[in-house]
Amino acid sequence: ETGVTQTPRHLVMGMTNKKSLKCEQHLGHNAMYWYKQSAKKPLELMFVYSLEERVENNSVPSRFSPECPNSSHLFLHLHTLQPEDSALYLCASSQDPQGPITGELFFGEGSRLTVL
Amino acid sequence: DQQVKQNSPSLSVQEGRISILNCDYTNSMFDYFLWYKKYPAEGPTFLISISSIKDKNEDGRFTVFLNKSAKHLSLHIVPSQPGDSAVYFCAASGSGGSNYKLTFGKGTLLTVNP
Repeated sequence: ETGVTQTPRHLVMGMTNKKSLKCEQHLGHNAMYWYKQSAKKPLELMFVYSLEERVENNSVPSRFSPECPNSSHLFLHLHTLQPEDSALYLCASSQDPQGPITGELFFGEGSRLTVL
Repeated sequence: DQQVKQNSPSLSVQEGRISILNCDYTNSMFDYFLWYKKYPAEGPTFLISISSIKDKNEDGRFTVFLNKSAKHLSLHIVPSQPGDSAVYFCAASGSGGSNYKLTFGKGTLLTVNP
């Protein structure tokens, strides 16, 4: 496989469920990202991991819990979500930027989450 | 407050004509700008970028223009093809944000009619 792979592609969960989104990159990158795309809103950065350490956390509610066990894998653990959390969750990777991002992000196809 | 704005939610053009997608930004610390294209059920893919030291960057049918004084950039697609139909996102980065942060616009849906 090549690129950035996300599973599952679609997820429906109740507000009391616990589920996880998985992302895997095969590009040799060492920075990984979670973005949220809600309807009619810009892509919102949620978390950034560089060299498996979290370097950015954009005031995301604690019901979203990221995990980066190694530079190729990134998880987003979901717990007691709200209906307004329904969105497309996109994973991305890049080479670890030493300064502002000047290179491209490589995105996965996204996980469409519906919270009932 | 949105720092990157794409004020046109949609644009429709005829095949063979020029498509012009616009983007405005408010943060004067942004110094690098990117365009991404997104097809339905796929993640965004990088299209073209421009540094603030330039005012134009061209790659095949795609050209990005940057007007720093107006805080405005545009993506020109010439000639437009039906396969160009997608959502186009403008994004910006720079010392005004954190190192890892790209700030995205809401996107413009381009439809190229055969």
